Amino acid sequence: SQTIHQWPATLVQPVGSPLSLECTVEGTSNPNLYWYRQAAGRGLQLLFYSVGIGQISSEVPQNLSASRPQDRQFILSSKKLLLSDSGFYLCAWSALTTNQPQHFGDGTRLSIL
Amino acid sequence: GQQLNQSPQSMFIQEGEDVSMNCTSSSIFNTWLWYKQDPGEGPVLLIALYKAGELTSNGRLTAQFGITRKDSFLNISASIPSDVGIYFCAGYNAGGTSYGKLTFGQGTILTVHP
Repeated sequence: SQTIHQWPATLVQPVGSPLSLECTVEGTSNPNLYWYRQAAGRGLQLLFYSVGIGQISSEVPQNLSASRPQDRQFILSSKKLLLSDSGFYLCAWSALTTNQPQHFGDGTRLSIL
Repeated sequence: GQQLNQSPQSMFIQEGEDVSMNCTSSSIFNTWLWYKQDPGEGPVLLIALYKAGELTSNGRLTAQFGITRKDSFLNISASIPSDVGIYFCAGYNAGGTSYGKLTFGQGTILTVHP
């Protein structure tokens, strides 16, 4: 069966520091991958999605970037964090070839001080 | 971006009561999904609906895909304390260049009093 892992679970970073959040999927190949941000427990905002290695689409202009160095690895990064980057970040995968809907990881709680 | 209109925004009910929530859209979707999110965790898929008019159950949960393809509802029967959480509806169109991107409702916060 397929599983998705995100880490770390929580992170506290100072303003201006870099960021790297990692997401990996097991048990499937060539998944579609997604990064979301959720503020205050409501409303998931799609940040990035990827349909293949090295293919990244950005949904909203922001201080973050994403990369997909391997088929089942998706990374969310920033060179310099802002206070407004605080939030709950969720990674998700789907397999459109079999019409599998998105399944989410457990999320990373990011606090910027 | 577009959001689905999900209602109610919150519900406070007694254990044992039934719950009903719904989502409407101005656009057609060919797939409707219902997720539940517990505090501090990622949303978990409860039910997926792939055909207009489809009625699907998962234990005490029942969801329907509206025949116009612009709405869906979720019912929870005989609620229990562990039903507490945020419920999200989501729609997407499989195939084409949509890449499975979901359009989400704003969520329904469910509180169950023992």
